[in-house]
Amino acid sequence: DQQVKQNSPSLSVQEGRISILNCDYTNSMFDYFLWYKKYPAEGPTFLISISSIKDKNEDGRFTVFLNKSAKHLSLHIVPSQPGDSAVYFCAAGDSNYQLIWGAGTKLIIKP
Amino acid sequence: EAQVTQNPRYLITVTGKKLTVTCSQNMNHEYMSWYRQDPGLGLRQIYYSMNVEVTDKGDVPEGYKVSRKEKRNFPLILESPSPNQTSLYFCATHGLDSNNEQFFGPGTRLTVL
Repeated sequence: DQQVKQNSPSLSVQEGRISILNCDYTNSMFDYFLWYKKYPAEGPTFLISISSIKDKNEDGRFTVFLNKSAKHLSLHIVPSQPGDSAVYFCAAGDSNYQLIWGAGTKLIIKP
Repeated sequence: EAQVTQNPRYLITVTGKKLTVTCSQNMNHEYMSWYRQDPGLGLRQIYYSMNVEVTDKGDVPEGYKVSRKEKRNFPLILESPSPNQTSLYFCATHGLDSNNEQFFGPGTRLTVL
């Protein structure tokens, strides 16, 4: 029973356009959500997070939206750049610092 | 430079041969954990530690042991590895006063034959 789901294993986007990565969760008790980016042969690196009491957080080209009623969050990258090609994981956390991870979405930015 | 290091990075071994994967951090973080990453499953937590001498099971602890004798080190021990433990392993840390961001090591690719 996956509490955090990323239903798209991969996504291909034209350079310069918007990339939208989606994540659904089932547990309404999560306190915060994070997005991580992972390149091959490296560990995941933190990208952006959002508290469960907010519905939007923005950091440069990256914006995360949280829709609590739908138990859905999304990561928007605009404009998409070639260096954004990576696997993106969403994760949900509780007050004990435990993270539940989605399976990841591979983003491919086409030139 | 803030770092999480893991050794070895790659390991091929045989069933039943005990092994240890080391993890070390220089950020003075209290919290450390081990994950395994498998295709289609994302990252699953094996064990975590909130501080020295405090360890707890994660979601998939069977077949693994850990210890936290000092703050900076959190080794993962496989007493009798089996082929289903072939995976990519990540160590992660974060400070308890941080914004919940976890810092990851570069990963250890383990193959058990």
